[in-house]
Amino acid sequence: DADVTQTPRNRITKTGKRIMLECSQTKGHDRMYWYRQDPGLGLRLIYYSFDVKDINKGEISDGYSVSRQAQAKFSLSLESAIPNQTALYFCATSDLKGGGIGEQFFGPGTRLTVL
Amino acid sequence: QKEVEQNSGPLSVPEGAIASLNCTYSDRVSQSFFWYRQYSGKSPELIMSIYSNGDKEDGRFTAQLNKASQYVSLLIRDSQPSDSATYLCAVNLNYQLIWGAGTKLIIKP
Repeated sequence: DADVTQTPRNRITKTGKRIMLECSQTKGHDRMYWYRQDPGLGLRLIYYSFDVKDINKGEISDGYSVSRQAQAKFSLSLESAIPNQTALYFCATSDLKGGGIGEQFFGPGTRLTVL
Repeated sequence: QKEVEQNSGPLSVPEGAIASLNCTYSDRVSQSFFWYRQYSGKSPELIMSIYSNGDKEDGRFTAQLNKASQYVSLLIRDSQPSDSATYLCAVNLNYQLIWGAGTKLIIKP
């Protein structure tokens, strides 16, 4: 089955460390997104990319950076992790055609804890 | 004011009854609206989309949109224990989805 995968699934790290979260998809979708989810706050968009050469900041991009290495790969980096970046991180994809921006397919999530 | 607002719940509904979930949004420019379901510990999945005023039905689910009043709702008929989840409302604005915090729904057998 075409899928969205995220690695790692769980990560515990210390303040100040550099962390990379990776996302791969086999759906052939052009658009990819990184979200974080915090209790009571819902999903918040960190970065999004409509193709390999198009990367855009979302609502909460400060402290994060991304790389779109290929159509199928979109990585999120925390250059110097801090405790308030502890959250559940989701990667998602959508198709330029078909359902468009509203029909997004999510990976299983990465639970990140910064001590 | 948050751009997309939902009652956090939990909303408790007896099995077989109708569950009604509501969402309000602040930006009148928004044109498309989505309901996602998220089971505990899992990722969100799309269950309904709606673009025009009125009702849209899909099986036991009905989405209702009222652009003048800026609200969108989701009705679940014949609620089942498997419907117990958090329901997220999302609104398309400027090529991004803006998400509500979700309503936790509990279906009691």
